[in-house]
Amino acid sequence: QVQLVESGGGVVQPGKPLRLSCVGSGFTFGFYGMHWVRQAPGKGLEWVAIISPDGGEQYYADSVKGRFTISRDSSKSTVYLEMNRLRLEDTAVYYCARDRSFFYGMDVWGQGTTVTVSS
Amino acid sequence: QSVLTQPPSASGSPGQSVTISCTGSSSDVGGYDYVSWYQQHPGKAPKLMIYDVSERPSGVPDRFSGSKSGNTASLTVSGLQETDEADYYCSSYAGTNNFVFGSGTKVTVL
Repeated sequence: QVQLVESGGGVVQPGKPLRLSCVGSGFTFGFYGMHWVRQAPGKGLEWVAIISPDGGEQYYADSVKGRFTISRDSSKSTVYLEMNRLRLEDTAVYYCARDRSFFYGMDVWGQGTTVTVSS
Repeated sequence: QSVLTQPPSASGSPGQSVTISCTGSSSDVGGYDYVSWYQQHPGKAPKLMIYDVSERPSGVPDRFSGSKSGNTASLTVSGLQETDEADYYCSSYAGTNNFVFGSGTKVTVL
């Protein structure tokens, strides 16, 4: 079945980096855009970033632009989120999600991985 | 990026209908038919319920329906069931390579 599995979350100090991974299975990974979406504790969903099916385009929310980098390795059916200069407000559950094409909206979600930024 | 406006809560008795609004602008909801709705139970990942304003993915009951008028999209859940109690979020393409979610609505089945 179609599935996304995130990993890489944990507790990290402010200003430090962290890399999240998301492995897809059950579908042709290279056909789809991929998102990262986050949800702070008790809060709503916040779009973070998207990467195009071929990896040639990446776009970011203003809140993470210049600090986060989304990338993909379609040979490994994996999308990554490199997070630098982490802030307390980056604490959240991070979900990866498949787009129906590119910016059409998410149709498949992973179970999420928790990132806690704390000193 | 601004957030689409949803009512914080909505409720209905079993068997009744509830409608949730999602208000944006001509730059997002009103400008594109890429409005989706997601259901999220506590501690779980979101699940796609409606895409492209009114289309239902395979497996989603036809009790769930979507529509749009101007800058406001709506999700209607008919024949409310206890399992429908959850948070619901709308989303939309917002132009210039941006994407935006709604503020979320907690649906309670009385």
